[in-house]
Amino acid sequence: QKEVEQNSGPLSVPEGAIASLNCTYSDRGSQSFFWYRQYSGKSPELIMSIYSNGDKEDGRFTAQLNKASQYVSLLIRDSQPSDSATYLCAVNMPGGGFKTIFGAGTRLFVKA
Amino acid sequence: DTAVSQTPKYLVTQMGNDKSIKCEQNLGHDTMYWYKQDSKKFLKIMFSYNNKELIINETVPNRFSPKSPDKAHLNLHINSLELGDSAVYFCASSPSTGTDTQYFGPGTRLTVL
Repeated sequence: QKEVEQNSGPLSVPEGAIASLNCTYSDRGSQSFFWYRQYSGKSPELIMSIYSNGDKEDGRFTAQLNKASQYVSLLIRDSQPSDSATYLCAVNMPGGGFKTIFGAGTRLFVKA
Repeated sequence: DTAVSQTPKYLVTQMGNDKSIKCEQNLGHDTMYWYKQDSKKFLKIMFSYNNKELIINETVPNRFSPKSPDKAHLNLHINSLELGDSAVYFCASSPSTGTDTQYFGPGTRLTVL
């Protein structure tokens, strides 16, 4: 089983719609969870971090964490063409301290 | 005033050569990382240093040797380059080990011919 799993997509949504990105992880001891956005040819940049169960909102972005289900998601409201990118789920897992394991990423296309 | 910088941005070389990539961060962070992103965009950790000490060493061929002369710098030397080493290599830093957000450099695209 992969340590962090994401649907590779592509996920295509119309402008103004809600985009929903999902991620599951294997290690119940995982402590912190991140969503990074990566534009083509660029480096990953942090969108959201979440550490406890529930929802965390920042502008148009909402991260949701359910540790019992080992599931983390990212909702993007009012999607814009500029949101088109690859979204990487990252999980800090125990093992010689903590190390960050990235999912393979979900490609999102927002159609104007 | 770039936070995490890498040089070079592009590196094209022949199989069997030795090359180095340099990384510097001016964020005052204690921890630095090297990641490899392959053609399928999968980002995988290679090494992590905390205050110049190696703390994560993933299953990476020993042709790859990281060096951290101080906590602001982390270099990656690769011996006897192979075709499969072609990838984008990202340096990153975080305030400490564990659960912190990481800040990525712009990446070095290595092409081995």
